[in-house]
Amino acid sequence: GAVVSQHPSRVICKSGTSVKIECRSLDFQATTMFWYRQFPKQSLMLMATSNEGSKATYEQGVEKDKFLINHASLTLSTLTVTSAHPEDSSFYICSAREKTDTQYFGPGTRLTVL
Amino acid sequence: SQQGEEDPQALSIQEGENATMNCSYKTSINNLQWYRQNSGRGLVHLILIRSNEREKHSGRLRVTLDTSKKSSSLLITASRAADTASYFCATDTGSARQLTFGSGTQLTVLP
Repeated sequence: GAVVSQHPSRVICKSGTSVKIECRSLDFQATTMFWYRQFPKQSLMLMATSNEGSKATYEQGVEKDKFLINHASLTLSTLTVTSAHPEDSSFYICSAREKTDTQYFGPGTRLTVL
Repeated sequence: SQQGEEDPQALSIQEGENATMNCSYKTSINNLQWYRQNSGRGLVHLILIRSNEREKHSGRLRVTLDTSKKSSSLLITASRAADTASYFCATDTGSARQLTFGSGTQLTVLP
């Protein structure tokens, strides 16, 4: 199957700092990428849909000014958690939709805010 | 909100037995996808079944879809200890084509 990478895989930061997470589709172009958040032992919750060349679409309850999404090219989307606080600690996973409609997921980024 | 509910929430079986997980959803779908997730890791895509399909196979995996009942099942035959993981169904709905995930089934295969 297609490969999606995420970087970094793990990040620890101080409260108040910003953290950028990159999501790349390595062997296909993705006009649409998605960002999810997952708490321990829970399912994935969609945060936003990232469209190449246009603004992201955020799910209800997700603050767009806190979770900045940029989809600058057909293979790269970034999620920036601004002014991070301990409650933002979570597992963040991106996915990219490939032309057969299959969504391929990145390996995830574990964010810990101290 | 969760589109899908999965049952059972947890399933423990012996190696060699078959494992069946069920997924129910609420709205019409474009397709339904099954994923596997090992603890603390990303999701691995298993199978995609489209709304006009009723059954698909991939190796030891068999997926069925009943759109009239809005339900799907994943069968893993001849299970192995390495199949231990969480399994999620996800429905592709609407024009935005985002996935909505079920609550997941934690499968434990005992050696």
